[in-house]
Amino acid sequence: EVQLLESGGNLVQPGGSLRLSCAASGFIFRNYALTWVRQAPGKGLEWVAGINAGGDGTHYADSVKGRFIVSRDNSKNTLHLQMNRLRAEDTALYHCAKFLVPGLSPTTLKNGGPDSWGQGTLVIVSS
Amino acid sequence: ETTLTQSPAFMSATPGDKVNISCKASQDIDDDVNWYQRKPGEAAIFIIQEATTLVPGISPRFSGSGYGTDFTLTINNIESDDAAYYFCLQHDDFPWTFGQGTKVEIK
Repeated sequence: EVQLLESGGNLVQPGGSLRLSCAASGFIFRNYALTWVRQAPGKGLEWVAGINAGGDGTHYADSVKGRFIVSRDNSKNTLHLQMNRLRAEDTALYHCAKFLVPGLSPTTLKNGGPDSWGQGTLVIVSS
Repeated sequence: ETTLTQSPAFMSATPGDKVNISCKASQDIDDDVNWYQRKPGEAAIFIIQEATTLVPGISPRFSGSGYGTDFTLTINNIESDDAAYYFCLQHDDFPWTFGQGTKVEIK
């Protein structure tokens, strides 16, 4: 059974930093692209960042580009999101998600979408 | 970027009802739409892929229809356990975009 467990969410001041992690199990981690998706209170879901299976291809939403860094450790089956220069509008529940189809880049069109999600970790940016 | 407009945002149903949730795309996205169910504090569950295909292990009371720009998730004979937040996702273009979601309450 695929499991994705996020951690690292917290209350942080504007301008601060936070590192989220997503621990994965139940599948061959190194074979799948992964993404971060967030949901702000009362809003819809927003794609944040994606990383390919090897970790050498990363992609970001314009809203976080230059501030967030997605990375992965395939030896530890863990995905990370380093969040810098945080803003109030980054307040959200952050989920990691696994691609349905192995071997794809996050930018592959018609990629089947995600088949598994984590339950999320809450980030609150407030003074 | 494809915009998905999902409706209604909230609905209240009685056990046994048939429920329809709509997801409309701003451009033609073939059948590249998935549906998910999420309950508070839990991970989202993949229920419909490619607009119409029931994910293995999901109750056949769930079904999906549509192609192009109009998509529908149908829940037949709704049960109390179906109370959840439902959302659509398109993977036709990059990046994925999502409907605003529908909260389904069971009376």
